[in-house]
Amino acid sequence: SAVISQKPSRDICQRGTSLTIQCQVDSQVTMMFWYRQQPGQSLTLIATANQGSEATYESGFVIDKFPISRPNLTFSTLTVSNMSPEDSSIYLCSVGQLTVNTEAFFGQGTRLTVV
Amino acid sequence: DAKTTQPPSMDCAEGRAANLPCNHSTISGNEYVYWYRQIHSQGPQYIIHGLKNNETNEMASLIITEDRKSSTLILPHATLRDTAVYYCIGGSGNTGKLIFGQGTTLQVKP
Repeated sequence: SAVISQKPSRDICQRGTSLTIQCQVDSQVTMMFWYRQQPGQSLTLIATANQGSEATYESGFVIDKFPISRPNLTFSTLTVSNMSPEDSSIYLCSVGQLTVNTEAFFGQGTRLTVV
Repeated sequence: DAKTTQPPSMDCAEGRAANLPCNHSTISGNEYVYWYRQIHSQGPQYIIHGLKNNETNEMASLIITEDRKSSTLILPHATLRDTAVYYCIGGSGNTGKLIFGQGTTLQVKP
């Protein structure tokens, strides 16, 4: 299994500002993903972070609002831009290997509150 | 990815087996069934996954019906620490993407 560190673990931010969340893995992984979990809800996939190219976004999520970087096989960042209270959620990083049907692992998440 | 259906909540007595059902009637032939759980305020934890055969590990057993339209996760001796939201996911491992449904909230009671 992979050990995933997310920073920060929580933050309180002013509306209109941006926050960058970091995800660091202790080993090289093929796949990295970002999820959002709104209060009381299940997880929703935001995007697949692609190493060396633009992220692949799911329906309803756009690069201008959630820019993602992945400079190498162990690190990725998600930025939540121009935040509003509706962005208050837990943001989670997930990693996996591109081999047939292996499991994915999750970080502990970043709890974001926008005031 | 296959759509899954789970009961929203279940109770289980401590020390008894917890049997959590999942319907995945639209699952395709090459899609595995994954189970994760999320204990309050933590990231999802992988439990088990399978394709056709029943699987067992140190955490749980997974029973998949022969037609693959449904499965049951079994926690053989539930403890209070097993209280969590359990997610059944039908997914393709070669994309790594997991599409979460609403899951089942399991409450283990003393």
